[in-house]
Amino acid sequence: DAGITQSPRYKITETGRQVTLMCHQTWSHSYMFWYRQDLGHGLRLIYYSAAADITDKGEVPDGYVVSRSKTENFPLTLESATRSQTSVYFCASSEFRGATEAFFGQGTRLTVV
Amino acid sequence: EDQVTQSPEALRLQEGESSSLNCSYTVSGLRGLFWYRQDPGKGPEFLFTLYSAGEEKEKERLKATLTKKESFLHITAPKPEDSATYLCAVQADLNEKLTFGTGTRLTIIP
Repeated sequence: DAGITQSPRYKITETGRQVTLMCHQTWSHSYMFWYRQDLGHGLRLIYYSAAADITDKGEVPDGYVVSRSKTENFPLTLESATRSQTSVYFCASSEFRGATEAFFGQGTRLTVV
Repeated sequence: EDQVTQSPEALRLQEGESSSLNCSYTVSGLRGLFWYRQDPGKGPEFLFTLYSAGEEKEKERLKATLTKKESFLHITAPKPEDSATYLCAVQADLNEKLTFGTGTRLTIIP
């Protein structure tokens, strides 16, 4: 199916464990983004990528690692999960540099216990 | 630092009762202002992009307008299916990231 897909949709993990959230898009968009959404904070950018092998920090990058070896995939890894990382995570992609709309995945609800 | 403030936080309307949502912003050079709709348990869905003051865009019962300091999302004769959270975001010049507001949760009562 065309679009942007995230997996898993739901994940429960323990404090200190490493967990990876997957994001795959079929449009060959250049830009990909990871956001987290928390009550009272709205969507906050964690990391973004302008192309394969090019990534940059967003507003709240601490505790997260990203990679982008292929244009279509942009996994987000929590190296050692903490309870403060309990959140809903959204991946997004956009086609061009500039004021073009971003398309979002369905989200991954992560709970760290 | 770019900032986006949306008001009200929540709005309940009767079906057919028109109203407006507000998005106030401060940004160092506006590249674009975006409106998204988000349904519970789903990702944001793109609605509009506005680029410059005075610009307006419409889609069905929604109309977005832009000034130098704020944007309004006008909803005319809303229906229950318009119930959702509406998010506003800005993108600054020379910046690839979007700064989002916390949204307005709109409920349309039949």
